[in-house]
Amino acid sequence: GAGVSQSPSNKVTEKGKDVELRCDPISGHTALYWYRQSLGQGLEFLIYFQGNSAPDKSGLPSDRFSAERTGGSVSTLTIQRTQQEDSAVYLCASSLAGGTNYGYTFGSGTRLTVV
Amino acid sequence: AQTVTQSQPEMSVQEAETVTLSCTYDTSESDYYLFWYKQPPSRQMILVIRQEAYKQQNATENRFSVNFQKAAKSFSLKISDSQLGDAAMYFCAYRLPSGNTPLVFGKGTRLSVIA
Repeated sequence: GAGVSQSPSNKVTEKGKDVELRCDPISGHTALYWYRQSLGQGLEFLIYFQGNSAPDKSGLPSDRFSAERTGGSVSTLTIQRTQQEDSAVYLCASSLAGGTNYGYTFGSGTRLTVV
Repeated sequence: AQTVTQSQPEMSVQEAETVTLSCTYDTSESDYYLFWYKQPPSRQMILVIRQEAYKQQNATENRFSVNFQKAAKSFSLKISDSQLGDAAMYFCAYRLPSGNTPLVFGKGTRLSVIA
């Protein structure tokens, strides 16, 4: 596609429920990243996929968070048993190769509100 | 671990004037990349300008330029002839040249442009 697409744009869920956030990267971009942006904070790295390599999960805040990337394209970030502190904007980005000097192309994010 | 600090949570500038946003970072590496991203209310992060650490010449993109002081680990963004459309959150970011490291972001500076 022309850009990185994320869905849904906004999600309100009840505490304790599971949610799935979707990211559709730019066609041909082998690297995909998930970030979390809490109110008044910068972007917190969550997870990184590069081609067929094992993902870098070092940023996931707890085992309630997981992500997968099917066929080297679409990625899903899953949050189980959501808590109020999970409320944030979740941003996805993709890039050519490892992104080195290309920078990333970001989607518009999913705003998650846990009530 | 690398860290990025933006000491100005909020800044304002009169339309057509010049404003400088500050960014400092901490790293023991000699080769790396630095970026400034703009995030308007649409939430999508837009790459404004990038700088390779091995280049002494400051990067420039139209009205946007940087003052890169490697020894001081400082990377400020100057916006000339400010326009109403420049109002946004601005994030400074750092990454290593290796393709397997994610961007590290500062907490951002909210820029307001006064007509």
